[in-house]
Amino acid sequence: SAVISQKPSRDICQRGTSLTIQCQVDSQVTMMFWYRQQPGQSLTLIATANQGSEATYESGFVIDKFPISRPNLTFSTLTVSNMSPEDSSIYLCSVGISGHPNTEAFFGQGTRLTVV
Amino acid sequence: GENVGLHLPTLSVQEGDNSIINCAYSNSASDYFIWYKQESGKGPQFIIDIRSNMDKRQGQRVTVLLNKTVKHLSLQIAATQPGDSAVYFCAENLSQGAQKLVFGQGTRLTINP
Repeated sequence: SAVISQKPSRDICQRGTSLTIQCQVDSQVTMMFWYRQQPGQSLTLIATANQGSEATYESGFVIDKFPISRPNLTFSTLTVSNMSPEDSSIYLCSVGISGHPNTEAFFGQGTRLTVV
Repeated sequence: GENVGLHLPTLSVQEGDNSIINCAYSNSASDYFIWYKQESGKGPQFIIDIRSNMDKRQGQRVTVLLNKTVKHLSLQIAATQPGDSAVYFCAENLSQGAQKLVFGQGTRLTINP
């Protein structure tokens, strides 16, 4: 398993500003992902954070809005840029741990963002 | 704290009863399925998984059933306890890994004393 720490756990931000969310893992992992969970909704994958290269974004998500960094195998950041109230969500970091036979996904506790 | 899943389907059961949570998945090519439990203010927690070459898998108090013909997944929780109250999500993937999971809608399970 893996212990995943996200900071901040919650924040209230003004529209037009940006927030950077940090994800720290207690071990080196190859796969790191960022998900969004809008109020009353399920989880949607934003992007795969690739170490040493640009993140891979899913349909509907772009780098200018959600820039991601992955400087090493234990750390990643997600920035929510130029925020609007529609960005109010829980943002979750996830890591994939190779196992036998399957790779399991573990999640951080999430960052609850409210944009006013 | 604020609840996740305010508009989710709900299921209420009496403590000690068995519960069944259902999920319809979308991609017939999906090869790997997982059930997650999410308590208020926390991230999803892995419960049990199943590969597409199986139709049933059992864990401690939980059983997952997979019907690929109708693309249906269910989670059975035996002898429910108050700590089972949470939102439950199914997730699917095209490979035997946890990359790029596609999550279902979720169901809020409430255990009544």
